[in-house]
Amino acid sequence: QVQLVESVGGVVQPGRSLTLSCVATGFTFSYSGMHWVRQAPGKGLEWVAVISYDGRVKYFADSVQGRFSISRDNSKNTVYLQMNSLRVEDTAVYYCAKDPGSGGSGSYYFEKWGQGTLVTVSS
Amino acid sequence: DIVVTQSPGSLAVSLGQTATINCKSSQSVVYRGNNKSYLTWYQQKPGQPPRLLISWASTRESGVPDRFSGSGSETDFTLTISSLQAEDVAVYYCQQHASTRPTFGQGTRLEIK
Repeated sequence: QVQLVESVGGVVQPGRSLTLSCVATGFTFSYSGMHWVRQAPGKGLEWVAVISYDGRVKYFADSVQGRFSISRDNSKNTVYLQMNSLRVEDTAVYYCAKDPGSGGSGSYYFEKWGQGTLVTVSS
Repeated sequence: DIVVTQSPGSLAVSLGQTATINCKSSQSVVYRGNNKSYLTWYQQKPGQPPRLLISWASTRESGVPDRFSGSGSETDFTLTISSLQAEDVAVYYCQQHASTRPTFGQGTRLEIK
């Protein structure tokens, strides 16, 4: 079955960088768009970024545009989220999520989710 | 961005009764090319990731009990949970995916009365 496993997050100081990874199994990774979605402690869900199945199309939320980047390695079934210039307000559980779209355009909703990883930005 | 607003923010319903959660988008999420509503519902239990319940406004995912149903079109949508069970206690989110920047409602916390 589909499994998405995020790397361990951690505590990072404001202004610093951190890269998350998510390893996917149980489906043809190279056919699926992949997303990152975050949830601040006790708060709701916020979509962060998407990457198309082939890595050519990427979109970001306004709140992270210019600071975060997303990439993927289809040979390793892995999607990455590089987070630069981190802010206190980036503190959240970060989930990677599978788009149900196959090839072509994504569907931009979230069929399967990882368990999430906590990133805390604090001095 | 399309703004999605849920109501109520929290809800307490007796076991066996019906819970109704509303979701309103700031613009239509129907794509005229296929007449589909780009609206999904998720359930999130404490300490767990969200779970996809309903896609395309009314299509229940595999394994989701049939007491969960979704309805609506254009800008107004509803998640209905009939015959409420104890395991339905959770926060429920709607999400629009009519744009390349998907957005969520703020969530509705469902409790047992």
